[in-house]
Amino acid sequence: NAGVTQTPKFRVLKTGQSMTLLCAQDMNHEYMYWYRQDPGMGLRLIHYSVGEGTTAKGEVPDGYNVSRLKKQNFLLGLESAAPSQTSVYFCASSYSVDNSPLHFGNGTRLTVT
Amino acid sequence: AQSVTQPDIHITVSEGASLELRCNYSYGATPYLFWYVQSPGQGLQLLLKYFSGDTLVQGIKGFEAEFKRSQSSFNLRKPSVHWSDAAEYFCAAYGGGADGLTFGKGTHLIIQP
Repeated sequence: NAGVTQTPKFRVLKTGQSMTLLCAQDMNHEYMYWYRQDPGMGLRLIHYSVGEGTTAKGEVPDGYNVSRLKKQNFLLGLESAAPSQTSVYFCASSYSVDNSPLHFGNGTRLTVT
Repeated sequence: AQSVTQPDIHITVSEGASLELRCNYSYGATPYLFWYVQSPGQGLQLLLKYFSGDTLVQGIKGFEAEFKRSQSSFNLRKPSVHWSDAAEYFCAAYGGGADGLTFGKGTHLIIQP
């Protein structure tokens, strides 16, 4: 049972390049989330999904897009990367809306130069 | 606005000493409350949660937390810390809605030998 798997673990992009982060969960969870973690800022919600085919904006959605074509996968896209998007990105999933508990991946460290 | 505040950015404790990490919340009604721990290079792991009932909740790794409605607080405690407890600790709350948890900015725990 792998839980929540994020790929890649590390990535370096140049400004203006695009990329997609993949999150996969094998727990049949309905709820999936993308967060970014920056020093002194805690975790901030980028986008989330309450089920296959649904997505919604979180606290800091600008510059990101997401898709949930399959229940087990939640993709985070950066169409034109900016240095401000240098961060550690975490995907998480939960069986219930109250996130009890929330299962996290190990993160993707993205650097945009 | 709903918020979770962790007043201490860094806490340094000697190994074997007791620990208390502070968390305050600002919600219209009492939210569900959580403490998560993040070891370096890892995702977050649930330590404990409070929904209702007994205001002292026990978690994993010897941690406990006490809910105090009058102080809007949910402080995390441990009687005797071990070097392996060095990590980042996040308080979080769920107040309803599909966007899941609101996280505090985290407290970095340093253990002195």
